[in-house]
Amino acid sequence: DTGVSQDPRHKITKRGQNVTFRCDPISEHNRLYWYRQTLGQGPEFLTYFQNEAQLEKSRLLSDRFSAERPKGSFSTLEIQRTEQGDSAMYLCASSSGDSSGNTIYFGEGSWLTVV
Amino acid sequence: DAKTTQPNSMESNEEEPVHLPCNHSTISGTDYIHWYRQLPSQGPEYVIHGLTSNVNNRMASLAIAEDRKSSTLILHRATLRDAAVYYCILRNSGYALNFGKGTSLLVTP
Repeated sequence: DTGVSQDPRHKITKRGQNVTFRCDPISEHNRLYWYRQTLGQGPEFLTYFQNEAQLEKSRLLSDRFSAERPKGSFSTLEIQRTEQGDSAMYLCASSSGDSSGNTIYFGEGSWLTVV
Repeated sequence: DAKTTQPNSMESNEEEPVHLPCNHSTISGTDYIHWYRQLPSQGPEYVIHGLTSNVNNRMASLAIAEDRKSSTLILHRATLRDAAVYYCILRNSGYALNFGKGTSLLVTP
């Protein structure tokens, strides 16, 4: 299966520590998205890339969050100085092209628990 | 993106058809209607999408009203594995999908 891959799947960290999540999109997908999902809510958009360019960032993406996609392939999402409110599932997704009719494919998510 | 309205929850018996409604009265002419579902502890999964005409695939059917102000996702024969949250989303650009709270579907044996 060559779907969207996320690593790690689960992470428990102490408040104040930094964490990094990695996403490998479907091969040749030029668009990559990050979402956050808390319990009982739908996924919330954080940011997206077209190739290596970060084209949009949500207001949810505070200055403690940074995302990169250096070579237009995999992406990382780093959270610095984690807070308990950062506990959530972080979802990565990818798609090809920029048509609103294109399908976006999601990974299984990375669960973060901040204690 | 225009807003959609879905019931919070629905219930169905196994092996019966399920009709999941979605209202989108402010839809624009270029908005695609996308449906995703999310099983517990998994990422969202694409189900189906359409623009004006009804659509069928191996997972479901999408019936779009003639005025496009509403649509219905049809699962022809619900199974226990179809228990999930179903999201109806409008998309009129190549940007990200904006999820609401969706409809939580309970399937009972």
